[in-house]
Amino acid sequence: EDQVTQSPEALRLQEGESSSLNCSYTVSGLRGLFWYRQDPGKGPEFLFTLYSAGEEKEKERLKATLTKKESFLHITAPKPEDSATYLCAVQEVDSSYKLIFGSGTRLLVRP
Amino acid sequence: DAGVIQSPRHEVTEMGQEVTLRCKPISGHNSLFWYRQTMMRGLELLIYFNNNVPIDDSGMPEDRFSAKMPNASFSTLKIQPSEPRDSAVYFCASSWREGGLSYFGPGTRLTVT
Repeated sequence: EDQVTQSPEALRLQEGESSSLNCSYTVSGLRGLFWYRQDPGKGPEFLFTLYSAGEEKEKERLKATLTKKESFLHITAPKPEDSATYLCAVQEVDSSYKLIFGSGTRLLVRP
Repeated sequence: DAGVIQSPRHEVTEMGQEVTLRCKPISGHNSLFWYRQTMMRGLELLIYFNNNVPIDDSGMPEDRFSAKMPNASFSTLKIQPSEPRDSAVYFCASSWREGGLSYFGPGTRLTVT
Protein backbone atom coordinates (compact mmCIF):
# COMPACT_ATOMS: atom_id res chain seq x y z
CA GLU A 1 0.00 0.00 0.00
CA ASP A 2 1.21 3.48 -0.77
CA GLN A 3 2.63 5.22 2.23
CA VAL A 4 4.08 8.54 3.25
CA THR A 5 6.01 8.60 6.51
CA GLN A 6 7.39 11.69 8.17
CA SER A 7 9.99 11.84 10.91
CA PRO A 8 10.45 12.93 13.54
CA GLU A 9 6.89 13.42 14.79
CA ALA A 10 8.03 16.40 16.81
CA LEU A 11 11.22 18.45 16.89
CA ARG A 12 12.35 21.10 19.32
CA LEU A 13 15.16 23.40 18.25
CA GLN A 14 16.88 26.39 19.70
CA GLU A 15 16.81 29.49 17.55
CA GLY A 16 19.70 29.20 15.10
CA GLU A 17 20.02 25.42 15.46
CA SER A 18 19.78 23.93 11.96
CA SER A 19 18.12 20.57 11.34
CA SER A 20 16.27 18.46 8.77
CA LEU A 21 12.84 16.90 8.52
CA ASN A 22 12.36 13.67 6.63
CA CYS A 23 9.59 12.41 4.37
CA SER A 24 9.92 8.90 3.02
CA TYR A 25 7.47 7.53 0.49
CA THR A 26 6.55 4.36 -1.29
CA VAL A 27 4.43 4.85 -4.39
CA SER A 28 4.32 3.05 -7.70
CA GLY A 29 5.48 6.17 -9.48
CA LEU A 30 5.94 9.74 -8.31
CA ARG A 31 4.31 12.62 -10.13
CA GLY A 32 5.28 15.18 -7.50
CA LEU A 33 6.13 15.70 -3.86
CA PHE A 34 4.71 18.65 -1.98
CA TRP A 35 5.70 20.37 1.24
CA TYR A 36 3.13 22.38 3.18
CA ARG A 37 3.34 24.39 6.38
CA GLN A 38 0.39 24.38 8.77
CA ASP A 39 -0.02 26.82 11.63
CA PRO A 40 -2.43 26.06 14.49
CA GLY A 41 -6.03 26.73 13.53
CA LYS A 42 -5.19 27.27 9.87
CA GLY A 43 -5.15 25.33 6.65
CA PRO A 44 -1.96 24.00 5.08
CA GLU A 45 0.06 26.59 3.18
CA PHE A 46 2.07 25.54 0.15
CA LEU A 47 5.86 25.70 0.36
CA PHE A 48 7.45 23.62 -2.43
CA THR A 49 6.82 21.10 -5.16
CA LEU A 50 9.55 18.68 -6.27
CA TYR A 51 9.21 16.47 -9.33
CA SER A 52 12.40 14.52 -9.90
CA ALA A 53 15.26 13.03 -7.91
CA GLY A 54 18.06 15.51 -7.42
CA GLU A 55 15.79 18.52 -7.55
CA GLU A 56 16.16 21.20 -4.87
CA LYS A 57 14.03 24.22 -3.99
CA GLU A 58 14.80 27.03 -1.55
CA LYS A 59 12.79 29.69 0.21
CA GLU A 60 14.37 31.85 2.89
CA ARG A 61 15.64 29.46 5.60
CA LEU A 62 14.05 26.37 4.03
CA LYS A 63 15.47 24.05 1.42
CA ALA A 64 13.71 20.95 0.11
CA THR A 65 15.49 18.10 -1.61
CA LEU A 66 14.27 14.92 -3.28
CA THR A 67 15.65 11.44 -3.86
CA LYS A 68 13.93 8.38 -5.29
CA LYS A 69 12.81 7.28 -1.83
CA GLU A 70 12.60 10.38 0.34
CA SER A 71 12.60 14.12 0.66
CA PHE A 72 14.26 16.34 3.21
CA LEU A 73 13.23 19.76 4.40
CA HIS A 74 16.35 21.47 5.69
CA ILE A 75 15.88 24.38 8.07
CA THR A 76 18.91 26.64 8.40
CA ALA A 77 19.25 28.92 11.42
CA PRO A 78 15.54 28.68 12.29
CA LYS A 79 13.63 31.44 14.02
CA PRO A 80 10.66 31.12 16.39
CA GLU A 81 8.32 32.11 13.57
CA ASP A 82 9.30 28.90 11.77
CA SER A 83 7.42 26.97 14.45
CA ALA A 84 4.60 25.06 12.73
CA THR A 85 3.63 21.61 11.52
CA TYR A 86 5.30 20.67 8.25
CA LEU A 87 3.35 18.31 6.03
CA CYS A 88 4.65 16.25 3.16
CA ALA A 89 2.35 14.92 0.43
CA VAL A 90 2.92 12.83 -2.66
CA GLN A 91 1.01 12.64 -5.90
CA GLU A 92 1.21 9.41 -7.84
CA VAL A 93 2.00 9.31 -11.52
CA ASP A 94 -1.37 7.73 -12.32
CA SER A 95 -3.37 10.32 -10.38
CA SER A 96 -3.49 13.89 -11.59
CA TYR A 97 -5.17 15.24 -8.47
CA LYS A 98 -4.91 13.04 -5.37
CA LEU A 99 -2.44 14.03 -2.63
CA ILE A 100 -1.41 11.43 -0.05
CA PHE A 101 -0.33 13.23 3.09
CA GLY A 102 2.08 12.20 5.81
CA SER A 103 1.22 12.79 9.43
CA GLY A 104 3.49 15.80 9.71
CA THR A 105 6.38 17.01 11.86
CA ARG A 106 5.58 19.49 14.63
CA LEU A 107 8.46 21.94 14.83
CA LEU A 108 9.00 24.20 17.82
CA VAL A 109 11.80 26.76 17.68
CA ARG A 110 12.61 28.30 21.04
CA PRO A 111 14.15 31.78 21.30
CA ASP B 1 -8.33 37.45 -3.63
CA ALA B 2 -9.82 36.35 -0.31
CA GLY B 3 -8.65 32.78 -0.73
CA VAL B 4 -10.81 29.75 -0.05
CA ILE B 5 -13.64 30.64 2.31
CA GLN B 6 -15.20 28.12 4.66
CA SER B 7 -18.11 28.44 7.05
CA PRO B 8 -18.75 27.95 9.82
CA ARG B 9 -15.27 27.99 11.36
CA HIS B 10 -16.48 26.05 14.37
CA GLU B 11 -19.50 23.79 14.73
CA VAL B 12 -20.65 21.98 17.83
CA THR B 13 -23.61 19.66 17.46
CA GLU B 14 -25.23 16.72 19.12
CA MET B 15 -25.09 13.20 17.82
CA GLY B 16 -27.83 12.54 15.30
CA GLN B 17 -28.08 16.10 14.06
CA GLU B 18 -27.49 17.16 10.47
CA VAL B 19 -24.36 19.20 9.82
CA THR B 20 -23.65 21.24 6.69
CA LEU B 21 -20.23 22.66 5.96
CA ARG B 22 -19.81 25.29 3.28
CA CYS B 23 -17.00 26.26 0.93
CA LYS B 24 -16.39 29.02 -1.57
CA PRO B 25 -13.37 28.23 -3.75
CA ILE B 26 -11.03 30.78 -5.23
CA SER B 27 -12.60 32.44 -8.25
CA GLY B 28 -11.48 30.82 -11.49
CA HIS B 29 -10.47 27.54 -9.89
CA ASN B 30 -12.15 24.53 -11.46
CA SER B 31 -11.02 21.82 -9.02
CA LEU B 32 -12.37 21.51 -5.50
CA PHE B 33 -11.42 19.11 -2.74
CA TRP B 34 -12.85 18.25 0.67
CA TYR B 35 -10.39 16.86 3.22
CA ARG B 36 -10.73 15.68 6.80
CA GLN B 37 -7.92 16.02 9.36
CA THR B 38 -7.71 14.03 12.58
CA MET B 39 -4.87 13.24 14.94
CA MET B 40 -5.17 9.54 14.20
CA ARG B 41 -5.43 9.59 10.42
CA GLY B 42 -3.97 12.94 9.40
CA LEU B 43 -5.27 14.64 6.26
CA GLU B 44 -7.51 12.46 4.11
CA LEU B 45 -9.17 13.29 0.82
CA LEU B 46 -12.92 12.82 1.02
CA ILE B 47 -14.12 13.93 -2.40
CA TYR B 48 -12.85 15.70 -5.50
CA PHE B 49 -14.87 17.83 -7.92
CA ASN B 50 -13.73 19.01 -11.34
CA ASN B 51 -15.86 21.57 -13.16
CA ASN B 52 -18.59 21.03 -10.53
CA VAL B 53 -18.75 17.29 -11.24
CA PRO B 54 -17.79 14.76 -8.54
CA ILE B 55 -14.87 12.79 -9.94
CA ASP B 56 -13.67 10.76 -6.96
CA ASP B 57 -15.74 10.16 -3.83
CA SER B 58 -13.89 7.04 -2.74
CA GLY B 59 -12.74 8.78 0.43
CA MET B 60 -16.25 9.50 1.69
CA PRO B 61 -16.42 7.29 4.76
CA GLU B 62 -20.10 6.35 4.77
CA ASP B 63 -23.45 7.09 3.20
CA ARG B 64 -24.02 9.57 6.00
CA PHE B 65 -21.63 11.87 4.15
CA SER B 66 -22.67 13.68 0.99
CA ALA B 67 -21.21 16.56 -0.99
CA LYS B 68 -22.57 18.83 -3.67
CA MET B 69 -21.23 21.53 -5.92
CA PRO B 70 -24.18 23.28 -7.53
CA ASN B 71 -22.01 25.91 -9.19
CA ALA B 72 -18.39 26.95 -9.58
CA SER B 73 -18.43 29.17 -6.52
CA PHE B 74 -20.06 27.00 -3.88
CA SER B 75 -19.84 23.54 -2.39
CA THR B 76 -21.33 21.83 0.64
CA LEU B 77 -20.38 18.79 2.69
CA LYS B 78 -23.27 17.33 4.65
CA ILE B 79 -23.24 14.76 7.42
CA GLN B 80 -26.59 13.24 8.34
CA PRO B 81 -26.85 11.92 10.98
CA SER B 82 -23.66 13.05 12.67
CA GLU B 83 -21.73 10.84 15.09
CA PRO B 84 -19.02 11.63 17.67
CA ARG B 85 -16.40 9.92 15.49
CA ASP B 86 -17.05 12.54 12.81
CA SER B 87 -15.37 15.12 15.05
CA ALA B 88 -12.46 16.52 13.06
CA VAL B 89 -11.29 19.54 11.12
CA TYR B 90 -12.73 19.63 7.61
CA PHE B 91 -10.80 21.50 4.95
CA CYS B 92 -11.85 22.64 1.54
CA ALA B 93 -9.18 23.27 -1.07
CA SER B 94 -9.26 24.47 -4.65
CA SER B 95 -6.89 24.61 -7.59
CA TRP B 96 -7.08 26.31 -10.95
CA ARG B 97 -6.75 23.05 -12.84
CA GLU B 98 -6.62 19.31 -12.19
CA GLY B 99 -3.16 18.55 -10.91
CA GLY B 100 -2.49 22.17 -10.08
CA LEU B 101 -1.41 23.54 -6.75
CA SER B 102 -4.09 23.21 -4.06
CA TYR B 103 -4.95 26.20 -1.90
CA PHE B 104 -6.55 25.29 1.41
CA GLY B 105 -9.22 27.12 3.33
CA PRO B 106 -9.00 27.78 7.08
CA GLY B 107 -11.05 24.70 7.93
CA THR B 108 -14.17 23.98 9.95
CA ARG B 109 -13.62 22.39 13.35
CA LEU B 110 -16.54 20.03 13.95
CA THR B 111 -17.32 18.64 17.37
CA VAL B 112 -20.11 16.09 17.71
CA THR B 113 -21.13 15.37 21.29
